[in-house]
Amino acid sequence: AQSVSQHNHHVILSEAASLELGCNYSYGGTVNLFWYVQYPGQHLQLLLKYFSGDPLVKGIKGFEAEFIKSKFSFNLRKPSVQWSDTAEYFCAAVPFYGNNRLAFGKGNQVVVIP
Amino acid sequence: DTEVTQTPKHLVMGMTNKKSLKCEQHMGHRAMYWYKQKAKKPPELMFVYSYEKLSINESVPSRFSPECPNSSLLNLHLHALQPEDSALYLCASSPKGGTSGGYEQYFGPGTRLTVT
Repeated sequence: AQSVSQHNHHVILSEAASLELGCNYSYGGTVNLFWYVQYPGQHLQLLLKYFSGDPLVKGIKGFEAEFIKSKFSFNLRKPSVQWSDTAEYFCAAVPFYGNNRLAFGKGNQVVVIP
Repeated sequence: DTEVTQTPKHLVMGMTNKKSLKCEQHMGHRAMYWYKQKAKKPPELMFVYSYEKLSINESVPSRFSPECPNSSLLNLHLHALQPEDSALYLCASSPKGGTSGGYEQYFGPGTRLTVT
């Protein structure tokens, strides 16, 4: 079964700082990768996804993520964060073939200080 | 429209009550899911329905009973719950089911359940 690990569970940074959240997955086959965001009191929203092609994917709200196959990584980045980016961020993976069991990482709680 | 709706938004129930959670999507998705989420934790998968058939049950206690009346609707029937079952219950859907895996899941806003 696939697993996903995220580092630095709690991240505190100031507005305009750059953000990078690490995500590593473990799976023997091809996986599709996702980043979800959960703003305080809101539901999970899809930030971006990687299925194939260009390993640098751009998502909503200025986020991007880079898939590095050799490192089994899918790190999320944003060059300049805003207070409104305060949220919980989850990396997730699902096998390209097989069941629809989505494996989530433990999440990163990001707090942006104005 | 990538919308999954859930009702009710909030539910408070006693340990002897019977209640149901409802989820609806009109995106033509053929896989639907129930998750349980505790605060500051990732969602935990409970059930997967694929083409209206239960395909995954993650060893969930029988006091949770899912039902998929049609391809757009998903219910979760609750009976004799425990206080530790208090959580946010999320519904999700994805375009394909079966072994056509790999698709993104779209989540509803959830039902905040409190068991007293």
